Amino acid sequence: DAGVTQSPTHLIKTRGQQVTLRCSPKSGHDTVSWYQQALGQGPQFIFQYYEEEERQRGNFPDRFSGHQFPNYSSELNVNALLLGDSALYLCASSLGAGAFEAFFGQGTRLTVV
Amino acid sequence: AQKITQTQPGMFVQEKEAVTLDCTYDTSDQSYGLFWYKQPSSGEMIFLIYQGSYDEQNATEGRYSLNFQKARKSANLVISASQLGDSAMYFCAMRESGGTSYDKVIFGPGTSLSVIP
Repeated sequence: DAGVTQSPTHLIKTRGQQVTLRCSPKSGHDTVSWYQQALGQGPQFIFQYYEEEERQRGNFPDRFSGHQFPNYSSELNVNALLLGDSALYLCASSLGAGAFEAFFGQGTRLTVV
Repeated sequence: AQKITQTQPGMFVQEKEAVTLDCTYDTSDQSYGLFWYKQPSSGEMIFLIYQGSYDEQNATEGRYSLNFQKARKSANLVISASQLGDSAMYFCAMRESGGTSYDKVIFGPGTSLSVIP
C-alpha cells in the first residue's frame, strides 16, 4: 500500500517563475493538505482540499493556488516565485473532515534563486 | 499570535533514558486535538500520538505517552527508553476549527532531540 507520494523531490527555480508541485494521497484518503516548512521552522498550513474544493486556507497570498482531481491527487501552484518561497513543501493526506491522523509525504524541496 | 509553543529548541538524552519534550498551546475552541510528529533528517513527518481535548486518559503509543494537562494548556511528549533512532526534530501540533466546519492543523517550532550512546 503506497503512502503519500510527492513529486518532484527537489527542484530549483528562478525568481519570477511559476512552479507546480504534485501529491498523490495514501490509498483511500480523500483530503489533501499542503504545508510550507522553511528551514529551521515548523510547517505552516497553506490550504486543504476536499471533494475538489479548497475548504481551508492559511495566511498565504493568492500566488499560492491549488487543485484537487477526481482521483484525490492534488497540485500546488506558486506563481511569481520569490526567494522567500524557498522551503520544503509537505503534502498530507487524511480521510474525511477532522481526521486526527494525517500521513505526510517526504516533501518537495524548492529552491528559488 | 503563536498558538503552539515549544520552549526547548534542542534536547540531549542518554540512550535508554526517558525524556520529556514540552508543548503549550493556546486556543479558544472547546474541541481540539493535539498531536506529536517526528521529522527525521529525510524530511518526512511521522505521526506519533494524538490526544483529543475531551479524552480523560493520557494517550499512549508504545514508548510514547502524552502528558495532557488541560487547565495548564500543556501537552508534553514523554519518550521512554530512548533509542539512537529517536534522534530527530519533534513537532507539537494542534487541530482546531476556529469556528468553521473544517479543521486545520498548526505546528509549533519544533524541538531537536539528540540521543547520546
